[in-house]
Amino acid sequence: AQSVSQHNHHVILSEAASLELGCNYSYGGTVNLFWYVQYPGQHLQLLLKYFSGDPLVKGIKGFEAEFIKSKFSFNLRKPSVQWSDTAEYFCAVNARRGAGSYQLTFGKGTKLSVIP
Amino acid sequence: DVKVTQSSRYLVKRTGEKVFLECVQDMDHENMFWYRQDPGLGLRLIYFSYDVKMKEKGDIPEGYSVSREKKERFSLILESASTNQTSMYLCASPELLTYEQYFGPGTRLTVT
Repeated sequence: AQSVSQHNHHVILSEAASLELGCNYSYGGTVNLFWYVQYPGQHLQLLLKYFSGDPLVKGIKGFEAEFIKSKFSFNLRKPSVQWSDTAEYFCAVNARRGAGSYQLTFGKGTKLSVIP
Repeated sequence: DVKVTQSSRYLVKRTGEKVFLECVQDMDHENMFWYRQDPGLGLRLIYFSYDVKMKEKGDIPEGYSVSREKKERFSLILESASTNQTSMYLCASPELLTYEQYFGPGTRLTVT
């Protein structure tokens, strides 16, 4: 069964610091990869996704992620965080579950707190 | 605009009650999902449906059932609510090609 591992449970950064959140997955086949964000009191929304092509993916609000197939990783980065980036971030992997069906598996999430 | 709606934002029920959580999507999607979200555990898949009247168990189906009588509506049922089912419940519906999930706002269920 596929699984997703997010390395950090809680990350605390000062404004303008650089961010990298780790995500590793276990699945040998073709995958689609996602990062979702949940701001306090709001519902989950898509930050960025990798479907195919260029492994460096740019998303909203200055976030990017790099798919490294050999390392089964899809780390999220931002060069300079803002207080408004305080949120919980979830990595997710979509892979084939059975004949014709897919399952999106989420990591346990990383809480990011940005201190002004 | 893509839309997934859930019938209640907050719900308080007593142990042993039967609970219905409703989800509606207006995107004409085939697939619909129910997750629960708990601190430190991320999102865990309870059930999903890939067509009307079709359902498949996710990773944590125990204590839950589902109903999909119409394409746009997917209901999660707690047959006899227990305190360990206190959680945030999220409905989602993915786009078929990219499998990007569109989430509803969630229902925070408290079982006392």
